[in-house]
Amino acid sequence: GAGVSQSPSNKVTEKGKDVELRCDPISGHTALYWYRQSLGQGLEFLIYFQGNSAPDKSGLPSDRFSAERTGGSVSTLTIQRTQQEDSAVYLCASSQPLGRQETQYFGPGTRLLVL
Amino acid sequence: AQSVAQPEDQVNVAEGNPLTVKCTYSVSGNPYLFWYVQYPNRGLQFLLKYITGDNLVKGSYGFEAEFNKSQTSFHLKKPSALVSDSALYFCAVSGGNAGNMLTFGGGTRLMVKP
Repeated sequence: GAGVSQSPSNKVTEKGKDVELRCDPISGHTALYWYRQSLGQGLEFLIYFQGNSAPDKSGLPSDRFSAERTGGSVSTLTIQRTQQEDSAVYLCASSQPLGRQETQYFGPGTRLLVL
Repeated sequence: AQSVAQPEDQVNVAEGNPLTVKCTYSVSGNPYLFWYVQYPNRGLQFLLKYITGDNLVKGSYGFEAEFNKSQTSFHLKKPSALVSDSALYFCAVSGGNAGNMLTFGGGTRLMVKP
């Protein structure tokens, strides 16, 4: 079946602009995660959605970052007033809802470059 | 807080030889351990996981990993390396008090030479 999809695959923006990154999880997966992969920080957790529960935002690095998930499926990660240090690959993952032992399946990522 | 260490930035091995990529972890409570592989310009691809039970876990592409609770390790192994195994490998842990998210090690680049 179809895997996790993300768009755009690449995004170049100017410092100070807002960007939106999209994630389509695997059908039937109610858990959705955003991670960031950067050279300096490695792979970092950003935010986690599970069904209708309040999201776990504990990994968001600043209040410029936000995410929403509409209809329990598609998610959008928004970065406001982008900074050069936001340049990274943003990865989305989804899993079955049964908990922390479930395998997370990753999308191909969105490569963000802030000039 | 939970953490994962991959002590080797790079592992070099000749094709046909066995390979080991090391991983140690720290987590309170029972760990759930994962290995992922990343090819250039691609997302992370799941290889295998340890949840409970048999300490030797077998996964995709002939890879296996051994959970060692006393040494808090979860090393990735393969009996005979292929050039196509060359990629970036990540060990990750979930569990403990940190919720469902994965905490990743820094990654190990595996280079298999013909």
